[in-house]
Amino acid sequence: DIQMTQSPSTLSASVGDRVTITCRASQSINNWLAWYQQKPGKAPKLLIYKASNLESGVPSRFSGSGSGTEFTLTISSLQPDDFATYYCQQYNSYSSFGQGTKLEIK
Amino acid sequence: EVQLLESGGGLVQPGGSLRLSCTTSGFTFGNYAMSWVRQAPGKGLEWVSCISAGGGSTYYADSAKGRFTFSRDNSKNMLYLQMNSLRAEDTAVYYCAKTRHSSSWYEFDYWGQGTLVTVSS
Repeated sequence: DIQMTQSPSTLSASVGDRVTITCRASQSINNWLAWYQQKPGKAPKLLIYKASNLESGVPSRFSGSGSGTEFTLTISSLQPDDFATYYCQQYNSYSSFGQGTKLEIK
Repeated sequence: EVQLLESGGGLVQPGGSLRLSCTTSGFTFGNYAMSWVRQAPGKGLEWVSCISAGGGSTYYADSAKGRFTFSRDNSKNMLYLQMNSLRAEDTAVYYCAKTRHSSSWYEFDYWGQGTLVTVSS
């Protein structure tokens, strides 16, 4: 099984900040990685697929990068609507998620 | 508009069974693999099971293997998750999710709103 590890688990930031979340895979997953945003009581929303492709309708302040075992999600300038929990997902071999990163208002 | 709507959740005793359904609309259902993903209260996301577009192949997380059965009816655009021998640790919101392609292993571009399963005596 492929294990996904996100860091940090919690991130405190302010509106306008640039933030980066890291996701590491226990083995190479090529570029088969997605990022999701989830707000309390809601279903996850797809942001990024195949490591760096922006989902239609997602603001361009979100970007993804990486390959192999290390990946990042960057939000270039935090907006109030961005405070949520973020998950990475690998789909190279079956599917598994990281444990999540909660982005909080500082 | 793509819509996924789960139903069938509820309270069940340990060792009991439950069948979840997912009603879909707004896309050519038989062209896409589908999955179930669950989320225990206050916890992260856990992939549970996937079914191929035609229904001929199913895949399960170790936590579901041997106890859960994922099926689909492409004539009714419906998914089913039969859950047997339920345990307290199966307590979660269960989401059905659409895979972007016919292949089983792609990102999930649409999700339902979830249905809560509570396993407790």
